[in-house]
Amino acid sequence: AQKVTQAQTEISVVEKEDVTLDCVYETRDTTYYLFWYKQPPSGELVFLIRRNSFDEQNEISGRYSWNFQKSTSSFNFTITASQVVDSAVYFCALSQEGGHQTGANNLFFGTGTRLTVIP
Amino acid sequence: DAGVIQSPRHEVTEMGQEVTLRCKPISGHDYLFWYRQTMMRGLELLIYFNNNVPIDDSGMPEDRFSAKMPNASFSTLKIQPSEPRDSAVYFCASSRQMRGTFESETQYFGPGTRLLVL
Repeated sequence: AQKVTQAQTEISVVEKEDVTLDCVYETRDTTYYLFWYKQPPSGELVFLIRRNSFDEQNEISGRYSWNFQKSTSSFNFTITASQVVDSAVYFCALSQEGGHQTGANNLFFGTGTRLTVIP
Repeated sequence: DAGVIQSPRHEVTEMGQEVTLRCKPISGHDYLFWYRQTMMRGLELLIYFNNNVPIDDSGMPEDRFSAKMPNASFSTLKIQPSEPRDSAVYFCASSRQMRGTFESETQYFGPGTRLLVL
């Protein structure tokens, strides 16, 4: 069974601070995909990143960086020098390979972490 | 390019009424997904289509829910009759198919339809 755990329900930081959002996942598959999505107050879901389970390289995109560690089944997300516009709910998600098998292509979402950046 | 388009953005209806939610996927995408977001259950997949064919509807809550995809550019999710517990945000997402597989690539979400059943 697939499971994504985001233990941090809410985080508040002061603008310009760095913040790390934790994501721990469970899967029996050897090939899977990990994602982060952002849900700002307006409600839409915005794609941030997708990683293949075979690619453990960390990634940096501007102020965003992601640390993927298969040994600890974690895919953490760090925002550097946070800004008020980063305030949102962030979701980590997992999907498995498997073509048209039941459950494949399904995004299993964590419960989300609400980040508030205080000016 | 336009993203996933959903309509209506907000819907308020009374218990027992029929509700139809609409989705236009990104042009060229092969997969279409319907998700529901509630406080109690979070984000959960209801059904998805590949090339207009329903593949996995195991997440559809009950027979009151039905979904169709008559062509590559349009899908509907219908609830009949609606109940207060159906109140949620319903998201549509679409994605390309990975070449040579039946796997979807990154799913891109629409803005959602916020449904309130009184």
